[in-house]
Amino acid sequence: ILNVEQSPQSLHVQEGDSTNFTCSFPSSNFYALHWYRWETAKSPEALFVMTLNGDEKKKGRISATLNTKEGYSYLYIKGSQPEDSATYLCAPIFGNEKLTFGTGTRLTIIP
Amino acid sequence: DTAVSQTPKYLVTQMGNDKSIKCEQNLGHDTMYWYKQDSKKFLKIMFSYNNKELIINETVPNRFSPKSPDKAHLNLHINSLELGDSAVYFCASSQGPRSEQFFGPGTRLTVL
Repeated sequence: ILNVEQSPQSLHVQEGDSTNFTCSFPSSNFYALHWYRWETAKSPEALFVMTLNGDEKKKGRISATLNTKEGYSYLYIKGSQPEDSATYLCAPIFGNEKLTFGTGTRLTIIP
Repeated sequence: DTAVSQTPKYLVTQMGNDKSIKCEQNLGHDTMYWYKQDSKKFLKIMFSYNNKELIINETVPNRFSPKSPDKAHLNLHINSLELGDSAVYFCASSQGPRSEQFFGPGTRLTVL
């Protein structure tokens, strides 16, 4: 069983503040890491796909970094807005080509 | 245009019945998936098809059988439904087994 951990499990952030959270995973046999954003009552939506150690990706106010050697990725949100409230899932892919979802970080932005 | 669609959106049925959930994607993707969102809200992969061939088959009861008539469709048939099958089932597709996935809206199955 592949252990994919996300921390914290939940987070409340004041509107306008910046925040970040972590995804950790086994570093062996790693191929790629996906980040998804999942709003309540909707479907997960892909944010980033990252493959190389040291990768940094950015989409608007959201960015992510990847460290494949130590097995972690950070997701950053700058200047949080209410529409950022969602569960953020990371999902590494290993040699078996199976996406393994983490437990998610539930982010709530307080207006 | 809906990229990944599932029908039905809600399915309420009795224990012991057989039911199917349909999934269609119009993205031209080669790979399709079925996920189950369990009681703790975790997403667990059940099956994956690439070019109509089964490539991932997780440890699910053999009452669950996926069928892919063509690359754009991956249906999930469930025999002899049990109470524990109640969950939200998501279909997804991607260009390849390692590419970003596009999810359908989910099918909420309730077994009474």
